[in-house]
Amino acid sequence: DAGVIQSPRHEVTEMGQEVTLRCKPISGHDYLFWYRQTMMRGLELLIYFNNNVPIDDSGMPEDRFSAKMPNASFSTLKIQPSEPRDSAVYFCASSVGTRYGYTFGSGTRLTVV
Amino acid sequence: AQSVSQHNHHVILSEAASLELGCNYSYGGTVNLFWYVQYPGQHLQLLLKYFSGDPLVKGIKGFEAEFIKSKFSFNLRKPSVQWSDTAEYFCAVTPAGGYQKVTFGIGTKLQVIP
Repeated sequence: DAGVIQSPRHEVTEMGQEVTLRCKPISGHDYLFWYRQTMMRGLELLIYFNNNVPIDDSGMPEDRFSAKMPNASFSTLKIQPSEPRDSAVYFCASSVGTRYGYTFGSGTRLTVV
Repeated sequence: AQSVSQHNHHVILSEAASLELGCNYSYGGTVNLFWYVQYPGQHLQLLLKYFSGDPLVKGIKGFEAEFIKSKFSFNLRKPSVQWSDTAEYFCAVTPAGGYQKVTFGIGTKLQVIP
């Protein structure tokens, strides 16, 4: 089991550019979550999917953020256009329900300059 | 909606000292509780979890947590910390039953001095 795989590990981009973060959940997990971690705000849930369907995107900060899950093995989080305040570590996590806890990916450290 | 409070934001201990990190939650019903650990530069990993039954839960690496329902608490303990325990620790809560959103605490940074 390779765990939750995220790419890229690090991303540095200029303000205004489009950024796409990728996640491959653990096979068989039916929930997928996108979190953002910053020093100031801690861990924030951005959006989650159940069986590839977005269930709650109330945490998505604004229309510049979008997420998709075209199939059970892949999800993307896109920021367009990116801004310096988007700089954070973005984690993807997957689970079977919530009873057993989440498995987190290694995260993508995004820096927008 | 549920919430989680971790009162100690930064804890510094010497090796072999005992550890207790506080976690309180607010929710009127039955909950599932978790502690996660994040080592420097790494992702969150599940340390231990409580669903029901014995309120004293044992996790990996010698950690344990006790669920005290009357106090809405789920404190994390370890009798003797090591330098390798230096990390950030997150308490999390979710209402039991079906899918409910997991709420994470703000985290407690533990620094263990050799």
